[in-house]
Amino acid sequence: GAVVSQHPSRVICKSGTSVKIECRSLDFQATTMFWYRQFPKQSLMLMATSNEGSKATYEQGVEKDKFLINHASLTLSTLTVTSAHPEDSSFYICSAIKQGAYGYTFGSGTRLTVV
Amino acid sequence: GEDVEQSLFLSVREGDSSVINCTYTDSSSTYLYWYKQEPGAGLQLLTYIFSNMDMKQDQRLTVLLNKKDKHLSLRIADTQTGDSAIYFCAESFGANNLFFGTGTRLTVIP
Repeated sequence: GAVVSQHPSRVICKSGTSVKIECRSLDFQATTMFWYRQFPKQSLMLMATSNEGSKATYEQGVEKDKFLINHASLTLSTLTVTSAHPEDSSFYICSAIKQGAYGYTFGSGTRLTVV
Repeated sequence: GEDVEQSLFLSVREGDSSVINCTYTDSSSTYLYWYKQEPGAGLQLLTYIFSNMDMKQDQRLTVLLNKKDKHLSLRIADTQTGDSAIYFCAESFGANNLFFGTGTRLTVIP
């Protein structure tokens, strides 16, 4: 079946630094990937839709310059949290759709803690 | 890794009950969840169940957990057109990871 690997699973960084999260489709090509953010005990908020070879589409209220998304290949999308602050601490998860298929495949998530 | 499976499609008539099924392989999860995704939106948490529970009911939603068979289901009573969406089951192991199924596209026929 389709597998998405998300890395790292946990990261702790200092305030002001940048953190990159990778979402990689291991055995399929993903033309579209999605990035979500979850606050404690709340739903997963869609942050952006990432299309290979083009700019990501950000949801309303999500800062493009703070959450940089790059989908440079059909198997890799990255989310970079720039100049991280404690309020960026959250659980980030990606998902991908296999080309020509309907089902979503999710990564296992990244827990970011900014200190 | 953990394998969570769902059927991709389900169609029901308005007013009927919908049952969305989910199977998983690792029974050591702590919580199991049902999320709803409407077009263009994020994943809305509908309900969750502790892994030591068998059933949870919340208005039109009933969650059944069969730990022996590693089977989770979501029943929506009196299904409405507004229930048309993609439904994801997920399980967690502690605080760090969520494992999702592929999603079931529910279509409600008027």
